[in-house]
Amino acid sequence: SQQGEEDPQALSIQEGENATMNCSYKTSINNLQWYRQNSGRGLVHLILIRSNEREKHSGRLRVTLDTSKKSSSLLITASRAADTASYFCASSEYGNKLVFGAGTILRVKS
Amino acid sequence: NAGVMQNPRHLVRRRGQEARLRCSPMKGHSHVYWYRQLPEEGLKFMVYLQKENIIDESGMPKERFSAEFPKEGPSILRIQQVVRGDSAAYFCASSPPTDRGSGYTFGSGTRLTVV
Repeated sequence: SQQGEEDPQALSIQEGENATMNCSYKTSINNLQWYRQNSGRGLVHLILIRSNEREKHSGRLRVTLDTSKKSSSLLITASRAADTASYFCASSEYGNKLVFGAGTILRVKS
Repeated sequence: NAGVMQNPRHLVRRRGQEARLRCSPMKGHSHVYWYRQLPEEGLKFMVYLQKENIIDESGMPKERFSAEFPKEGPSILRIQQVVRGDSAAYFCASSPPTDRGSGYTFGSGTRLTVV
């Protein structure tokens, strides 16, 4: 399979806590992206990190990339109930195509 | 800017019928991608198109599935002689011609149910 893997598959935390999701991919990449999907909806782009970057921040999101280990992590700080969703990483190989992981289901309890 | 428009949102077809899914990319985007998502799973790449060209169809089943992105009008994903296993959510995404670091813009998807 070309797909990467994410862990955990599911994560349940209390509002205010931090949530960390990990992603591994299989090939050399141009960039890695994270998306959120609310139930029954399309995906929303969250953040993109290029292969020559190691860390990137956007609001309460922090993404790291380790190309030597072919892995990335997404940290959501001070989580809110509205963050409840599925989160997917997607690796962009050269040539535009995105390869998605299986996703992490995040549930934030209020 | 209306974003990526997909229609219909829901489509029910009987086995053996044809399904046509439409996608209008975001204004200014010339690249279109189709993905399929089964329940509780991630998105599986199907095909990548630019206007009048199929760039990568490595994820398309060899039979019954076809895609086009004509010079005028939306991109079409066509599934002939549908079977129950085709039931899934089909998502279209678009991106601009050059990488601006903004990722893909996804439509809301078409949920196909084959009965």
